[in-house]
Amino acid sequence: DAKTTQPPSMDCAEGRAANLPCNHSTISGNEYVYWYRQIHSQGPQYIIHGLKNNETNEMASLIITEDRKSSTLILPHATLRDTAVYYCIVRGLSGTYKYIFGTGTRLKVLA
Amino acid sequence: DVKVTQSSRYLVKRTGEKVFLECVQDMDHENMFWYRQDPGLGLRLIYFSYDVKMKEKGDIPEGYSVSREKKERFSLILESASTNQTSMYLCASTLTRGKGTEAFFGQGTRLTVV
Repeated sequence: DAKTTQPPSMDCAEGRAANLPCNHSTISGNEYVYWYRQIHSQGPQYIIHGLKNNETNEMASLIITEDRKSSTLILPHATLRDTAVYYCIVRGLSGTYKYIFGTGTRLKVLA
Repeated sequence: DVKVTQSSRYLVKRTGEKVFLECVQDMDHENMFWYRQDPGLGLRLIYFSYDVKMKEKGDIPEGYSVSREKKERFSLILESASTNQTSMYLCASTLTRGKGTEAFFGQGTRLTVV
């Protein structure tokens, strides 16, 4: 599985968009970008995933660059409940592939 | 909603005890995983299973074993608990293929070995 690089921490004002970057320069053609988040003392929660097109769901948007070497998770209107550690993971689509977690980005949403 | 349930939220055990951590999922997922999470180290994979009675070592299997006798249940066993196994343990499950192959995690078991 490709490795990812994320900033260790970020702050965002409540109500503003939170843009969380991820570099995955060694991603291969059949690997997807997944995002999870972990709120304190809970298990990680799936947010979104994508291959090369931008994706949006009720939680967030995922923007993947054309060369697929980086991506950005966007929380359009961050709330205090979005304070969490966000993990960017690259892996194949099948559920048999392992998830290799890095240390993620600790997002703090400020009132 | 997929539910992954871990048997205990908090557990305190003595050094040398045999410890069983249980995980049950209710969505017929083929694959199940055990991770441990420690500050500064993130989530590290201990063992995983693709099918009943099948198991594969993850990155840090030493001191652990697993059992998967039924599809919905994946047990992590600490044969002789040690203080360096004090950690948060997380179980996850996934479908092999189809639209929803993302991982679903349990709430975690915080194990303290004294």
